[in-house]
Amino acid sequence: GIQVEQSPPDLILQEGANSTLRCNFSDSVNNLQWFHQNPWGQLINLFYIPSGTKQNGRLSATTVATERYSLLYISSSQTTDSGVYFCAVIANSGYALNFGKGTSLLVTP
Amino acid sequence: GAVVSQHPSWVICKSGTSVKIECRSLDFQATTMFWYRQFPKQSLMLMATSNEGSKATYEQGVEKDKFLINHASLTLSTLTVTSAHPEDSSFYICSATSDSLGYTGELFFGEGSRLTVL
Repeated sequence: GIQVEQSPPDLILQEGANSTLRCNFSDSVNNLQWFHQNPWGQLINLFYIPSGTKQNGRLSATTVATERYSLLYISSSQTTDSGVYFCAVIANSGYALNFGKGTSLLVTP
Repeated sequence: GAVVSQHPSWVICKSGTSVKIECRSLDFQATTMFWYRQFPKQSLMLMATSNEGSKATYEQGVEKDKFLINHASLTLSTLTVTSAHPEDSSFYICSATSDSLGYTGELFFGEGSRLTVL
């Protein structure tokens, strides 16, 4: 099956700092989503971005499908940004989202 | 975005009992629902895919007789963990999509259900 690798696995930032999270995938995809899992476990949809660039407030994402990677940018980080960020993809040959192992982000005051 | 709701959020049960978890799509008709399982500090692993009115498709290694999935209507899928044991303790989370979005459309997740088996 398709492999999804996220980096870095862990990240500690001071409030106000910027960060970039990366997602590499091993095959062609027709769906790519970024999620934030809050401390209660709920998955919050951040972006549906199989290709191109999108922005939503302090967050933005870019997917370069031909090179099989996606980036999630967090600017001016806040303590409420803490949690685990997951990248998930559906391969062209697949039907369900396959998740990476996530990036655990801690933003300190 | 579309809203998917799960119930219960937390459940504690004794070993050997069965537990049912519900997943509902509140504002759209979910032709397909997916059930995932997440162990502490790990990623989400797909357990099964259910289509309304047909039998669920289970991923390799998932016991279909232990994890019963029913998708009887376009807004409700249920996961029943039968004869639960402590090793079944986990976070179960469902996802839904509709034919109008297609398999490659954006998927939305429920809040998740945390099962603890004593």
